[in-house]
Amino acid sequence: DGGITQSPKYLFRKEGQNVTLSCEQNLNHDAMYWYRQDPGQGLRLIYYSQIVNDFQKGDIAEGYSVSREKKESFPLTVTSAQKNPTAFYLCASKRYGPKGTEAFFGQGTRLTVV
Amino acid sequence: AQTVTQSQPEMSVQEAETVTLSCTYDTSESDYYLFWYKQPPSRQMILVIRQEAYKQQNATENRFSVNFQKAAKSFSLKISDSQLGDAAMYFCAYRSNDGTASKLTFGTGTRLQVTL
Repeated sequence: DGGITQSPKYLFRKEGQNVTLSCEQNLNHDAMYWYRQDPGQGLRLIYYSQIVNDFQKGDIAEGYSVSREKKESFPLTVTSAQKNPTAFYLCASKRYGPKGTEAFFGQGTRLTVV
Repeated sequence: AQTVTQSQPEMSVQEAETVTLSCTYDTSESDYYLFWYKQPPSRQMILVIRQEAYKQQNATENRFSVNFQKAAKSFSLKISDSQLGDAAMYFCAYRSNDGTASKLTFGTGTRLQVTL
């Protein structure tokens, strides 16, 4: 089945450690996105990528890093510089181009700093 | 920058009744898309309905319909014959149609409760 897979579903991290969230899609979509969801704040864009080896900062990129070495994969690293990393993280993808297609979302990763 | 506002943090509706969720947005663009997404307790984001700004006709998908008022920058969602499975967070979202990666801008969401 085609779709977007995020792993793991739950992740625990000690303060001061970096952690990487996985996002893989087999939809042959060009663009991929990372969003952060906090209670009462909706979804906020962290990073996005339009093509392989290219990505842009979103609204809240500080403390995060990404890579896009393959079309199918867009991992997000939450670094120790992120001051409040506990949140729900959603990955999305869409076919490139302005018209027609909506973004498809993964099932999310809940990150908790302990 | 575009903004999306959902002024109703929570709404409640009885089963089989109709409910309307409000959304307003701010943009200087004339060509864009608007979306309603549903997020049930599983937290999977599911597209409910999509509206293209250049289309005057309001979009409908079975029990879901929108009231799109472009001049007023309003985009409300009407759910008819509400069902228990409609209980979820609902997010309104905006996307430019400017040929770029077209990132989504979301509102803060409305939590919908469906009661018996």
